[in-house]
Amino acid sequence: SQQGEEDPQALSIQEGENATMNCSYKTSINNLQWYRQNSGRGLVHLILIRSNEREKHSGRLRVTLDTSKKSSSLLITASRAADTASYFCATGAWGGSEKLVFGKGTKLTVNP
Amino acid sequence: GAVVSQHPSRVICKSGTSVKIECRSLDFQATTMFWYRQFPKKSLMLMATSNEGSKATYEQGVEKDKFLINHASLTLSTLTVTSAHPEDSSFYICSARGEHPGIPLHFGNGTRLTVT
Repeated sequence: SQQGEEDPQALSIQEGENATMNCSYKTSINNLQWYRQNSGRGLVHLILIRSNEREKHSGRLRVTLDTSKKSSSLLITASRAADTASYFCATGAWGGSEKLVFGKGTKLTVNP
Repeated sequence: GAVVSQHPSRVICKSGTSVKIECRSLDFQATTMFWYRQFPKKSLMLMATSNEGSKATYEQGVEKDKFLINHASLTLSTLTVTSAHPEDSSFYICSARGEHPGIPLHFGNGTRLTVT
């Protein structure tokens, strides 16, 4: 069943602006991950945040996790045209399961 | 880094035929691989978990006789869409767990299947 729900479904910004995407989920999780997908391609892992973490950074990416609200956000700062892609959150359950449940994704367009 | 190769990237077949999609881990051994299906502008839906040397575990609603999965070696899993129908047209993506248990998973580039 669908777990993560991203919003917005689509986001269009100018280069240099920040992009924020949100993800909500329904059940208890062990971790939450963000992936990027270029059109017609596979997924690239961006960042993983565990349930006992609240914030994580990786380069221009900043991820937050609020387990009380069952939500996460992905912030891309100083966006570039090359950041244009779809971004998905995926949740991993407890018990060591590597089965990921993906959200519907946010399609980000960064205009030059 | 770990690389997963998926082949073919695109395939067009006629209704009633079968299509095989390969997923290979190129520089690591993958005891577990996952097969996903993605509809246009939609999310990835897990179809099955493929374990080397044993039967695949299918998600609810996925027909195991329709989508045959074989994980015969530590570097190769195959998904065969049998007796394909136009509604099977979709984007299929595999992922593999790396040498060290845990996440993140490594994804192939996907296969665009079109059934005419």
